Amino acid sequence: SAVISQKPSRDICQRGTSLTIQCQVDSQVTMMFWYRQQPGQSLTLIATANQGSEATYESGFVIDKFPISRPNLTFSTLTVSNMSPEDSSIYLCSVERDRGYEQYFGPGTRLTVT
Amino acid sequence: LAKTTQPISMDSYEGQEVNITCSHNNIATNDYITWYQQFPSQGPRFIIQGYKTKVTNEVASLFIPADRKSSTLSLPRVSLSDTAVYYCLVGDVGTGANNLFFGTGTRLTVIP
Repeated sequence: SAVISQKPSRDICQRGTSLTIQCQVDSQVTMMFWYRQQPGQSLTLIATANQGSEATYESGFVIDKFPISRPNLTFSTLTVSNMSPEDSSIYLCSVERDRGYEQYFGPGTRLTVT
Repeated sequence: LAKTTQPISMDSYEGQEVNITCSHNNIATNDYITWYQQFPSQGPRFIIQGYKTKVTNEVASLFIPADRKSSTLSLPRVSLSDTAVYYCLVGDVGTGANNLFFGTGTRLTVIP
């Protein structure tokens, strides 16, 4: 298994500002994933982050809005840029045990934009 | 992309067996079926994964018929702590393709 921590656990931000969310894993992993979960909804994949290469974004998500860094095999950040109230959501990071097998999720970051 | 369909919600009394069925008519040959559980304010947690027939672990059983167009997650003797949302995913183990997409999930409420 993998233990994942996220910082911050929650934040309240003003419209137009940016927030960087950190994800730390207790073991080295090749791929990390970022999801968004809006209140009462399912999870939506934002992007896949490989160490040493650019993140791969899913349809509807762009690098300018959600820049991702992956400086090493245990850490990643997701920035939510130029925030609006529509960005209020829970942001989760995850890793896979092996490609295609079970994912381990962090506790999430609850973001509220006012 | 194999789309999954699940009931939106289910209610069950404590101590009963609960069966949640997921439809995945377009499942591909290399696709596996994976189920997750999510409690409020937590990330999803892996429950079970299977390819065909039956898989059982300490938490649940997964039944997959021969045509693999559906699967059933079985939770024996549920308790109040099993109240959660349950997600069914279908994707390719190995390449990992499409194994990252969550459907709507089933909200299970266990009643005392």
